[in-house]
Amino acid sequence: GNSVTQMEGPVTLSEEAFLTINCTYTATGYPSLFWYVQYPGEGLQLLLKATKADDKGSNKGFEATYRKETTSFHLEKGSVQVSDSAVYFCAWGGNTGKLIFGQGTTLQVKP
Amino acid sequence: SQTIHQWPATLVQPVGSPLSLECTVEGTSNPNLYWYRQAAGRGLQLLFYSVGIGQISSEVPQNLSASRPQDRQFILSSKKLLLSDSGFYLCAWSLDRVYGYTFGSGTRLTVV
Repeated sequence: GNSVTQMEGPVTLSEEAFLTINCTYTATGYPSLFWYVQYPGEGLQLLLKATKADDKGSNKGFEATYRKETTSFHLEKGSVQVSDSAVYFCAWGGNTGKLIFGQGTTLQVKP
Repeated sequence: SQTIHQWPATLVQPVGSPLSLECTVEGTSNPNLYWYRQAAGRGLQLLFYSVGIGQISSEVPQNLSASRPQDRQFILSSKKLLLSDSGFYLCAWSLDRVYGYTFGSGTRLTVV
């Protein structure tokens, strides 16, 4: 069936380090792909999205490229800050409009 | 602009008591609506979704129910809460797969 797999966390980095959170999906058709971020005690916020192959979503220094050939949508940031500490969710959306979420990856950035 | 309201923000309820969580959306019509639960340190579990008034789909069998009495109102209920119902409940709305979801701020439910 359709699914999303994220790398397990927690991911612990020092400030200004490079971040990669891997995300791969299994889906039929041409889904839209999303990254959401959840700060402690809050709901999820849309971080970025890509709606077709080779699209690059970007926001707040984060980027992810929709790779259809590898069915991946890895999240990257060149230099993380302590304020980036949060849980990150990868998700894909099919024709029904319903999103399938990965299990979430916790990022901890230390000063 | 569209906004989503979810309340209450926190709730402590005894086992066996009823539950009603409400979610309303403003600024859009005929949205798809969703209820998710997030257990501590865990991922998101889709509980219910609705594509229109009175149309509810349940994803997992459980002690909860949902209703959509108006186009932009989505209610999560239980007649008798269990300890296992504790968690962080999130409401979300969407228009289509390209748009994605907009989430409410969540309700932290603790059943004691």
